Amino acid sequence: DAKTTQPTSMDCAEGRAANLPCNHSTISGNEYVYWYRQIHSQGPQYIIHGLKNNETNEMASLIITEDRKSSTLILPHATLRDTAVYYCIVRVAQGAQKLVFGQGTRLTINP
Amino acid sequence: DTGVSQDPRHKITKRGQNVTFRCDPISEHNRLYWYRQTLGQGPEFLTYFQNEAQLEKSRLLSDRFSAERPKGSFSTLEIQRTEQGDSAMYLCASSLASLDTQYFGPGTRLTVL
Repeated sequence: DAKTTQPTSMDCAEGRAANLPCNHSTISGNEYVYWYRQIHSQGPQYIIHGLKNNETNEMASLIITEDRKSSTLILPHATLRDTAVYYCIVRVAQGAQKLVFGQGTRLTINP
Repeated sequence: DTGVSQDPRHKITKRGQNVTFRCDPISEHNRLYWYRQTLGQGPEFLTYFQNEAQLEKSRLLSDRFSAERPKGSFSTLEIQRTEQGDSAMYLCASSLASLDTQYFGPGTRLTVL
């Protein structure tokens, strides 16, 4: 079963920052937080992952709280192409671990 | 790096027919995963290979499903005697063992009539 809780849906205006929350209160010390997104009818796309430090790449930033029980994915300047379902997943990074997807957050970027 | 590719992208078949899907992972990725996604749901794990060895299978993988990765490169997923409940998107992902971030292909959408 998925170990994360995400809002079912969110809206954001184009050009603004989209902040997607995720609760993972039962996360273990060796589990990472991974984010994927899935644009309609496409395969999931890897976005970012982190353990305890904040991470940033060309797509997004990941902010993890100090107690690691929650995190926020930030898309700094959302565009219409960021409309997708966003999945937050916790897993051990090393070793072959299947991804357990929840329902995710359906993010709609509005013009 | 061309990414994970899957073929075909769409397949329509009649109930009772056999179908086979192919997945080509990212070059040098030794781990390969199959997932299934039904409408409105997140992907669900089916099975996983490390090189040519199939190391884990989900209970979702009934006797009618078989997956192979004969030379540790591409993989095939076969469904025998398809049922309407098999209609779904079948997704393949691959990863490099040392990092294990999984990268997905575009999927094969199966419709069983």
